[in-house]
Amino acid sequence: DAKTTQPPSMDCAEGRAANLPCNHSTISGNEYVYWYRQIHSQGPQYIIHGLKNNETNEMASLIITEDRKSSTLILPHATLRDTAVYYCIVRVEGAQKLVFGQGTRLTINP
Amino acid sequence: DTAVSQTPKYLVTQMGNDKSIKCEQNLGHDTMYWYKQDSKKFLKIMFSYNNKELIINETVPNRFSPKSPDKAHLNLHINSLELGDSAVYFCASSQSENTEAFFGQGTRLTVV
Repeated sequence: DAKTTQPPSMDCAEGRAANLPCNHSTISGNEYVYWYRQIHSQGPQYIIHGLKNNETNEMASLIITEDRKSSTLILPHATLRDTAVYYCIVRVEGAQKLVFGQGTRLTINP
Repeated sequence: DTAVSQTPKYLVTQMGNDKSIKCEQNLGHDTMYWYKQDSKKFLKIMFSYNNKELIINETVPNRFSPKSPDKAHLNLHINSLELGDSAVYFCASSQSENTEAFFGQGTRLTVV
């Protein structure tokens, strides 16, 4: 699985959009970009995933660059409950395991 | 209605003991996993089962033995517990290897 690079920490004001970057410059054609988050003392929670196209669901939007070497997770209106560690994971189609890095600790400030 | 449930939530035990952590999922998923999160917060896969068959064993000591009596359950038995086994253990499940995983709330194991 390709390696990902994320900033260790970020801050965002409540109500604003939180934009979390992820670099995956060695991604190959059959690898998906997944995002999970882990709120303190809870299990990881799936957010969104994509291959080439931008994706949106009720939780977030995923913007993948055309060359697929980086992506951005967007939480459109961050709330205090979005404070968590966010993991960007690159996963080969059919691969059973998720390889977690260190993630980005996002703090939403009132 | 918890999708992936683990018991117990906390487990404190002495070195050398044998203990089990239970996991059940009510999502009808075919694939179940055990992950370990150490004190530095790194999450790493230990095992993966698909339809009760072991698929992944990530160089875990053989003191750790997963057991899947049916598709909905994947229990983790640990023999001769060591101090270094202290961690949070997460069970997860997914419909298949291509789909997102749902995680339980974790079991915090402390070996003293």
